[in-house]
Amino acid sequence: DTAVSQTPKYLVTQMGNDKSIKCEQNLGHDTMYWYKQDSKKFLKIMFSYNNKELIINETVPNRFSPKSPDKAHLNLHINSLELGDSAVYFCASSQDFYEQYFGPGTRLTVT
Amino acid sequence: LAKTTQPISMDSYEGQEVNITCSHNNIATNDYITWYQQFPSQGPRFIIQGYKTKVTNEVASLFIPADRKSSTLSLPRVSLSDTAVYYCLVGDGGYNKLIFGAGTRLAVHP
Repeated sequence: DTAVSQTPKYLVTQMGNDKSIKCEQNLGHDTMYWYKQDSKKFLKIMFSYNNKELIINETVPNRFSPKSPDKAHLNLHINSLELGDSAVYFCASSQDFYEQYFGPGTRLTVT
Repeated sequence: LAKTTQPISMDSYEGQEVNITCSHNNIATNDYITWYQQFPSQGPRFIIQGYKTKVTNEVASLFIPADRKSSTLSLPRVSLSDTAVYYCLVGDGGYNKLIFGAGTRLAVHP
């Protein structure tokens, strides 16, 4: 059983398109997160959701929007994709905040 | 913000003990220190967490001095499979802020 899963694993798209990345966790955790890891391997938090409420928004462009239909899912929607959005996006979940469980990542390539 | 500083890279050999130190001068009173491990093409994995003194689990030990301005992750008798990037993470004051360090790339050689 995969604790935190993401789809798709790879996503190649053109500039200007709109895309979504899905995330699901089966750990029963209350909080889920989205991270972005750039080519230099810096891992930066983008959003987190706790009981369907956004509690972190790290000043990411408003082209990025997290959507949580329920506690087990946190999807990431990206509008008008730009070259600089190319990165690996990780979903994570946690119960006690510091011990987070990460998904396998989605490698987004914008051409 | 509680910024962290780690060595960019380290090299070791199989069977040796490896110590990776992280500096976090602005750590807040209520913050915990957490370390993660990341293999290529995978998400980070939780290793250990501590507040002060020493914490040990089956994977590693974490040493935190009294002033808490730094911490040291100790990996006993590393193997080739310990080759990875290790991140030091400090809660940035309060529940919601969490900052990953730049990470230390550990290479274990035969």
